[in-house]
Amino acid sequence: DQQVKQNSPSLSVQEGRISILNCDYTNSMFDYFLWYKKYPAEGPTFLISISSIKDKNEDGRFTVFLNKSAKHLSLHIVPSQPGDSAVYFCAASAGGNTPLVFGKGTRLSVIA
Amino acid sequence: ETGVTQSPTHLIKTRGQQVTLRCSSQSGHNTVSWYQQALGQGPQFIFQYYREEENGRGNFPPRFSGLQFPNYSSELNVNALELDDSALYLCASSLFTGDYYGYTFGSGTRLTVV
Repeated sequence: DQQVKQNSPSLSVQEGRISILNCDYTNSMFDYFLWYKKYPAEGPTFLISISSIKDKNEDGRFTVFLNKSAKHLSLHIVPSQPGDSAVYFCAASAGGNTPLVFGKGTRLSVIA
Repeated sequence: ETGVTQSPTHLIKTRGQQVTLRCSSQSGHNTVSWYQQALGQGPQFIFQYYREEENGRGNFPPRFSGLQFPNYSSELNVNALELDDSALYLCASSLFTGDYYGYTFGSGTRLTVV
């Protein structure tokens, strides 16, 4: 039973264009959502997060949108750069000291 | 501020053996979580320790066990290794203060069971 789903295993985007990565969740108790980026041979690094009381959070080129009624969030990267090529994981938490639940990841390739 | 360090980085073990993986938490963090990431999958939660007590466990059998020490470093022990235990094992530390907190991950230990 996958509570966090990333249905696109891979995405290829041209440099300078927008990258949109999607994530769906099923657990209504989730109230905090995060995106992590992972390069080979490294651990995941935190990118951006959003609380369920918001529907948008922006940090530089990265924006996360949350649609609670649809249980859907997305990460927008504008403009995309070759250094953004990595695996992106969506993660969710029910708050407090509960563990993060991760999706399977989406491999983003930004082509120069 | 030091990050999370894991050792060893790579390990090859034989089926049926036992293994211990180690993690040094980021300075000031009081919670450590362990995750297993199989090839092509996202990290799967194994268990979490808060102030030396296990306070959450995922769907892993009892042969996966752990410890958190007073300095908040941690160990993951796996007994009776199986081929399917081959994966990247990630440790993450965090500071829980009653509100949401962020995880800092180590680079992982790549375990291969043959």
